Amino acid sequence: QITLKESGPTLMKPTQTLTLTCTFSGFSLSTSGVGVGWIRQPPGKALEWLALICWDDDKRYSPSLKSRLSITKDTSKNQVVLTMTNMDPVDTATYYCAHATRYSSGSYYPHYWGQGTLVTVSS
Amino acid sequence: QPVLTQPPSASASLGASVKLTCTLSSGHSSYSIAWHQQQPEKGPRYLMILNRDGSQNKGDGIPDRFSGSSSGAERYLTISSLQSEDEADYYCQTWGPGWVFGGGTKLTVL
Repeated sequence: QITLKESGPTLMKPTQTLTLTCTFSGFSLSTSGVGVGWIRQPPGKALEWLALICWDDDKRYSPSLKSRLSITKDTSKNQVVLTMTNMDPVDTATYYCAHATRYSSGSYYPHYWGQGTLVTVSS
Repeated sequence: QPVLTQPPSASASLGASVKLTCTLSSGHSSYSIAWHQQQPEKGPRYLMILNRDGSQNKGDGIPDRFSGSSSGAERYLTISSLQSEDEADYYCQTWGPGWVFGGGTKLTVL
């Protein structure tokens, strides 16, 4: 059974750096064709992809947020960490991590989602 | 990078069927997409990957009431025998590279 759980701060101040941890079970990020991605959802709005890290340490970032994001993995701990710098109130959202499986032509698709964690940015 | 367009809302009666649409942008009509369901106050759930030829790979435990189909740049999700728990937001998503999400369709079950 694959499960993922997000953890991190619930309240932040503008300009701070967000660090979120995704702790997972039921799969290994050292297995070929597996990835973990981060997605966020502002209140009442649509899903927005942030970053993806693959089993071979290939990393992809949202073009619009690339300069602020960093994604890393710790295979031994079954964790993926996302950092986002210079947080702003518009970054207030529920942040999700998701297990991804490689599909055709090197593409990855999310198959299992965490429950999400709400991060509020306010002065 | 592809863009996915979804109507913001849809509605259908309990027990009826509904067909939700996701449109791929020009030049990307061959792309596969995934459908995800998000019930109120819950995280998303993967439903299926849908290919250009209409073939699909469903997630674990997804009922047969959920099916996908394709026509040109359109990707569809049909839900038959609608139940109250099907009232949710439905998102399509593709690989761009990286993940691209549509704006979502809010389905109301009347």
